[in-house]
Amino acid sequence: EPEVTQTPSHQVTQMGQEVILRCVPISNHLYFYWYRQILGQKVEFLVSFYNNEISEKSEIFDDQFSVERPDGSNFTLKIRSTKLEDSAMYFCASGYPSGGYTFGSGTRLTVV
Amino acid sequence: GQQLNQSPQSMFIQEGEDVSMNCTSSSIFNTWLWYKQDPGEGPVLLIALYKAGELTSNGRLTAQFGITRKDSFLNISASIPSDVGIYFCAGPRNSGNTPLVFGKGTRLSVIA
Repeated sequence: EPEVTQTPSHQVTQMGQEVILRCVPISNHLYFYWYRQILGQKVEFLVSFYNNEISEKSEIFDDQFSVERPDGSNFTLKIRSTKLEDSAMYFCASGYPSGGYTFGSGTRLTVV
Repeated sequence: GQQLNQSPQSMFIQEGEDVSMNCTSSSIFNTWLWYKQDPGEGPVLLIALYKAGELTSNGRLTAQFGITRKDSFLNISASIPSDVGIYFCAGPRNSGNTPLVFGKGTRLSVIA
């Protein structure tokens, strides 16, 4: 069954450093998403991406965040200057507008 | 904004018992999705509901889309240890290409 692949599975970074989280969506999907989940809390939407541009973003997705689809397969989330409160699981997802899209296994980001 | 309220927050059941959990909203949703999350993994779609009143099964799982479009329930019959995890309801924030809103989840523990 097709999968959404995320790397790395765990990233530890110092506060103020830049991180790039990587995702390979399912190949024939057109919509891509980043969500995050702070430990023990619900999954929260960050940003959606379609046709090589951001289609929607949440209030969490401020100027410190950016997304890119640098080639035909990868979808990345960059956090420019990490803060302690950025520590969370970050999930990439891909799919179609009707919902029910597929999530990756996540990257656990720990900011120290 | 739209919010999904899940109950119960957590439940402990004996293996073999049936489980019921539900999700309510103050606003209408046109799609209801039920996801399961295992520790350290991303959410996995269990059941998608697209029509008010719809009752859908997936093995031992059954979910219904409430007639008012403001609620949904998920039942698990004859629970087994691998049913342990967090169950989230989710729905698109708007119609069309739209990110998902998640509930806070129901944590299920199964005692063998």
